[in-house]
Amino acid sequence: DQQVKQNSPSLSVQEGRISILNCDYTNSMFDYFLWYKKYPAEGPTFLISISSIKDKNEDGRFTVFLNKSAKHLSLHIVPSQPGDSAVYFCAASEYGTYKYIFGTGTRLKVLA
Amino acid sequence: DADVTQTPRNRITKTGKRIMLECSQTKGHDRMYWYRQDPGLGLRLIYYSFDVKDINKGEISDGYSVSRQAQAKFSLSLESAIPNQTALYFCATSFGQNTEAFFGQGTRLTVV
Repeated sequence: DQQVKQNSPSLSVQEGRISILNCDYTNSMFDYFLWYKKYPAEGPTFLISISSIKDKNEDGRFTVFLNKSAKHLSLHIVPSQPGDSAVYFCAASEYGTYKYIFGTGTRLKVLA
Repeated sequence: DADVTQTPRNRITKTGKRIMLECSQTKGHDRMYWYRQDPGLGLRLIYYSFDVKDINKGEISDGYSVSRQAQAKFSLSLESAIPNQTALYFCATSFGQNTEAFFGQGTRLTVV
C-alpha cells in the first residue's frame, strides 16, 4: 500500500519556465511533508518542507503548496534551471513516528 | 568530511553470502534509518532506530537485520544475500520532531 504517491515518473521543462511536481498521500495523520532532490551517485538532499498547519512555504525559487483536503502537495520551481535536473522525492511523516515515507520519485529534466 | 558516512560505497557479492553495510554519523543525531532505492519504487524504509536500545522494522525488513552499536553507528546486515536485494542502500539520520533527515552517499550493492 503506497501511502505517498508520485504519479509522474518524469517531467521535461524548458529552462526559465515553471516546473511543477506533484505528490499525493493517503494517510491523513501525516503532518510534515518534505521534498528531496537526488543527483546520480549521490544521496538525497533536503530541499524544502512544510508543516500541516501551513498551506505554502517558499524558499528562493522553490515553493511547496499543501492542500490537506485533497491530500496533495506540489513543488514549484521558478525559474527552472538546467542544474535542477535530478530526481525529486516527496516524503511524509506522522507526528510521533519519526519515520519518513517516500514517494517513488519524479525525474525532472530541464532543457537548455 | 561527510556528516553521514557509508561504507563500502560499492560492493559485489555472491548469492548466499553474509554482508554488512556500515553507517556512521558525526551529526550527533539520535535517530538513524536504512532505506533502499529501486527503480520505480522510490525509497523504502528497511529499519529505523531512535537510540541504541530501540530498533524498529520498516516497510521491507524481511531478509535484513540491523545493529545500533553506538549512537553514531548503525549497521545493516544481509544474512544470506539474494539477487533481488541488489539495490542502492542509504543511511539517514534525524533529530527532533518535524525536521529533515540527512542522507549518506549510498552503497551500491550487487548480488550475483
